[in-house]
Amino acid sequence: GQNIDQPTEMTATEGAIVQINCTYQTSGFNGLFWYQQHAGEAPTFLSYNVLDGLEEKGRFSSFLSRSKGYSYLLLKELQMKDSASYLCAVRARDQKVTFGTGTKLQVIP
Amino acid sequence: NAGVTQTPKFQVLKTGQSMTLQCAQDMNHEYMSWYRQDPGMGLRLIHYSVGAGITDQGEVPNGYNVSRSTTEDFPLRLLSAAPSQTSVYFCASSYGVNNGVLTRRTGELFFGEGSRLTVL
Repeated sequence: GQNIDQPTEMTATEGAIVQINCTYQTSGFNGLFWYQQHAGEAPTFLSYNVLDGLEEKGRFSSFLSRSKGYSYLLLKELQMKDSASYLCAVRARDQKVTFGTGTKLQVIP
Repeated sequence: NAGVTQTPKFQVLKTGQSMTLQCAQDMNHEYMSWYRQDPGMGLRLIHYSVGAGITDQGEVPNGYNVSRSTTEDFPLRLLSAAPSQTSVYFCASSYGVNNGVLTRRTGELFFGEGSRLTVL
């Protein structure tokens, strides 16, 4: 099975940097995803990690350590529109994708 | 390109009624799945399919049936609705990836817009 943990809520200031952590346990790892979900909307894809290291995509970066079962999502130059829930998800070898409970990020002026 | 289409968007049922949530994708994705989302619970996997004719159970399969007779369609059936099934349901699909092999192919999930179901 899979167990995914991430903080429930975070608050950060506009223009700042925030790091959202995710730890996971899985019987067979085949990739980790980060999704963004605004209230009342469907999740949208942000990033993917399958090998150890950092993946950068504009203001968003995601890091993975497979040996530690750990990932983080880094958001730079925070904007008000970044207020949303951020979902960590792990894909297993049977292709099943399991989500954590999500981190609700509030960006304040 | 429509992507992932879910119907209906809203539905109210009485306890004991049955219904089917429809999901269709036009991206030729091998993998399809159904999630439910409840406050504070995140997205929980109900059933998934890695290809036509193949389905498997997720974390919360009880009370739900699925079938995958074509690559495009993956309907979710509630045979006897219960108030505990009040939720927002999301269908998602992706390209398949090689089982057991780490791959750089992303295979991210594409989501439908969601179906809000209320069971009275």
